[in-house]
Amino acid sequence: DAGVIQSPRHEVTEMGQEVTLRCKPISGHDYLFWYRQTMMRGLELLIYFNNNVPIDDSGMPEDRFSAKMPNASFSTLKIQPSEPRDSAVYFCASSFHGAPGTEAFFGQGTRLTVV
Amino acid sequence: EDQVTQSPEALRLQEGESSSLNCSYTVSGLRGLFWYRQDPGKGPEFLFTLYSAGEEKEKERLKATLTKKESFLHITAPKPEDSATYLCAVRHGSSNTGKLIFGQGTTLQVKP
Repeated sequence: DAGVIQSPRHEVTEMGQEVTLRCKPISGHDYLFWYRQTMMRGLELLIYFNNNVPIDDSGMPEDRFSAKMPNASFSTLKIQPSEPRDSAVYFCASSFHGAPGTEAFFGQGTRLTVV
Repeated sequence: EDQVTQSPEALRLQEGESSSLNCSYTVSGLRGLFWYRQDPGKGPEFLFTLYSAGEEKEKERLKATLTKKESFLHITAPKPEDSATYLCAVRHGSSNTGKLIFGQGTTLQVKP
């Protein structure tokens, strides 16, 4: 398996524009996580899905953020409208069964810069 | 509230100088403690999972241990290639919620 695949790797956009980040989890994994990483706050969990269903979105900072998982092999994180403070590295991760102790595998991340 | 705290924030070692990184946690119903390594510009890479107090795991120069309140990542005779940020995370919940919470990380620099 190629691992968790995220696209794009880098995104530069202007304030107010819509941004869509994409993730393909590892085949067979049933948990998918979206994280945001900044120097100040570290890795923050934004939302996670189990079997394509959102379980906990309490980490989503504002209504400008939304995430979907239309099927087991694809998820999106959308920011509309984007703001400079959204600049960060966004990671997607997936794991199997979410059973006790089952590790999550991370993608390479999308570095988002909002100017 | 569930919390994961790592110390120190940064650590500089000479090659061969052994040390330990700490991860303290407060969580209801621990269902796994994880150590990850993250290199600049990359996603975190899984190292170890520990399930219960007293458990230990080893990989090359790294050894992870777990108590009821904290975990240690011991680095024996480190090499420059061990330089990275080491992240600790916990999975918790009375039910199998799958939520994974990370600490802020310890950035390790090993000088030759």
